[in-house]
Amino acid sequence: GAVVSQHPSWVICKSGTSVKIECRSLDFQATTMFWYRQFPKQSLMLMATSNEGSKATYEQGVEKDKFLINHASLTLSTLTVTSAHPEDSSFYICSASWGQGWYEQFFGPGTRLTVL
Amino acid sequence: KNQVEQSPQSLIILEGKNCTLQCNYTVSPFSNLRWYKQDTGRGPVSLTIMTFSENTKSNGRYTATLDADTKQSSLHITASQLSDSASYICVVSPYGGATNKLIFGTGTLLAVQP
Repeated sequence: GAVVSQHPSWVICKSGTSVKIECRSLDFQATTMFWYRQFPKQSLMLMATSNEGSKATYEQGVEKDKFLINHASLTLSTLTVTSAHPEDSSFYICSASWGQGWYEQFFGPGTRLTVL
Repeated sequence: KNQVEQSPQSLIILEGKNCTLQCNYTVSPFSNLRWYKQDTGRGPVSLTIMTFSENTKSNGRYTATLDADTKQSSLHITASQLSDSASYICVVSPYGGATNKLIFGTGTLLAVQP
């Protein structure tokens, strides 16, 4: 149980285009979802926290107009990278949790974004 | 400042050998400490979660220890297998706060060779 999926697993796009990444909790209702970014040989960096039905909370330095997050249901959150540029190329990972606090976070398999 | 440091940064061992990875943290107040395994190009997978009152927890060939007084944790891998090759990340969860953000270590990259 507690499976989180992401789609797509990898995407290549041209500079200036927008890319949408989906994160789904397959067998549980995720009241909270997290979006992380990971650069090569670095650890995960939290981008934003989203609760179902409310606006996402972004970490300092993360542009909310560039990284649009929608947590429309208890099983789906989306991250849209708008007007992507090569510096946005990274590994994007979502996680889902039953709630905040010390609840376990279950991570998705990640999405590799390459912007040409 | 809340920080999680891991050592060594990388480690190479022969298949069948044991190894121990270290984690030191300065996170306070502290709620729980987690060890994750992350295969290359994949998301992290939870190995163990320990609260401040737990000293040790096992998951198959993985055994984690925690000393909340010295703020140290270790992950011991027994009888390593080639599939153990991955990055192992120590993650500390602060106590309290609205979002309870996880504090990630930079990981130890383990390579198990035949």
